[in-house]
Amino acid sequence: DTAVSQTPKYLVTQMGNDKSIKCEQNLGHDTMYWYKQDSKKFLKIMFSYNNKELIINETVPNRFSPKSPDKAHLNLHINSLELGDSAVYFCASSHSPGTYNSPLHFGNGTRLTVT
Amino acid sequence: DAKTTQPNSMESNEEEPVHLPCNHSTISGTDYIHWYRQLPSQGPEYVIHGLTSNVNNRMASLAIAEDRKSSTLILHRATLRDAAVYYCILRDLGFKTIFGAGTRLFVKA
Repeated sequence: DTAVSQTPKYLVTQMGNDKSIKCEQNLGHDTMYWYKQDSKKFLKIMFSYNNKELIINETVPNRFSPKSPDKAHLNLHINSLELGDSAVYFCASSHSPGTYNSPLHFGNGTRLTVT
Repeated sequence: DAKTTQPNSMESNEEEPVHLPCNHSTISGTDYIHWYRQLPSQGPEYVIHGLTSNVNNRMASLAIAEDRKSSTLILHRATLRDAAVYYCILRDLGFKTIFGAGTRLFVKA
């Protein structure tokens, strides 16, 4: 009965490769997010999607391309991976912020290591 | 930039109450105050949120200053499992929720 699930949990790959991280939520939320947590543990928002539409792109390089096939899924594809992409990536979901002040629900993260 | 400031770390004894402070002097009228915590190797977990009045739930209590420029998360009896990073954030009607560095809580047995 996991609310927000991400796969894979760990991802080790070489520079230059392309990889994807998948996220699914079963909470009936219409808004989904990707956050990046670097080695210093700062959580930085990358993208926000509402009803499958991109709302926020927080100056993320074009190599990162999120895709939302439906409201329950938000996948993250990363092209030409770089060393600096190594981090933990968290998916989150909520009801639309404007509806009522819905809390964020996070997945347990995907630890990406680029060698 | 994060709109809240919190101490980098705090320490508590097990079974004692913990008061985690947060300053948000630039809070606007539509900002809700949210608290999350992140246990090691897990995603952030929602704890509590409020707008103007104090709030209680099974995990914690949230005390909000009358001018709303600060708030305090209260854990009534800290346990070792409460050791985590606690984030105080402001969540408005937009889609961009920014996290600061949080407070790392250490709990001593």
